[in-house]
Amino acid sequence: QLHLQESGPGLVKPSETLSLTCTVSGGSISSRSSYWAWIRQPPGKGLEWIGTISYSGSTYYNPSLKSRVTISVDTSKNQVSLKLSSVTAADTAVYYCARRNSDWYYFDSWGQGTQVTVSS
Amino acid sequence: DIQMTQSPSSLSASVGDRVTITCRASQGITNSLAWYQQKPGRAPKVLLYVASTLESGVPSRFSGSGSGTDFTLTISSLQPEDFATYYCQQFFSSPYTFGQGTKLELK
Repeated sequence: QLHLQESGPGLVKPSETLSLTCTVSGGSISSRSSYWAWIRQPPGKGLEWIGTISYSGSTYYNPSLKSRVTISVDTSKNQVSLKLSSVTAADTAVYYCARRNSDWYYFDSWGQGTQVTVSS
Repeated sequence: DIQMTQSPSSLSASVGDRVTITCRASQGITNSLAWYQQKPGRAPKVLLYVASTLESGVPSRFSGSGSGTDFTLTISSLQPEDFATYYCQQFFSSPYTFGQGTKLELK
């Protein structure tokens, strides 16, 4: 059974770079037709798609965040990473790693999420 | 961006009730819609995709309908474990956007 686990610092200072890792078990992140996404949820608010990376390494980002976001994979560790630069308090959120369905662009498996607070 | 608007924002109901949640897209999205359930402190869980297809393992009391701009999620007979927040998500075009959520509370 697929399991996704996010990890990373829970506190980031304004203007710095947020870095998170998603470790996938129960499946290979490089298997054909696999896609991996990051989604966030500010406190008490709704969900925002950040971006997706494909099994071949192609990336797709939300235009509202594109200039600050990098998603990458480490196939040797079966991990997906997120970097978000120049963070502000508005980036405070729970960050989720998720698998995009192979046929449709919805998210069929999610990690438990990790809280990131931006504060000095 | 395609805006997704859910109504109502909150809803009070009782166990056994039939409830319907609506999701409207700001432009046509064919049937490129998914519904999620989220409980406090937990990740969202997908219920339906392509508007009306039940995800594996999801109880049949959940159903979805709609196409174009208007969609509904129906729970035929509420169970205690169904009290949660529900989100729709369009996957017609990037950026893939979610509704603001509908909180289903126990009356």
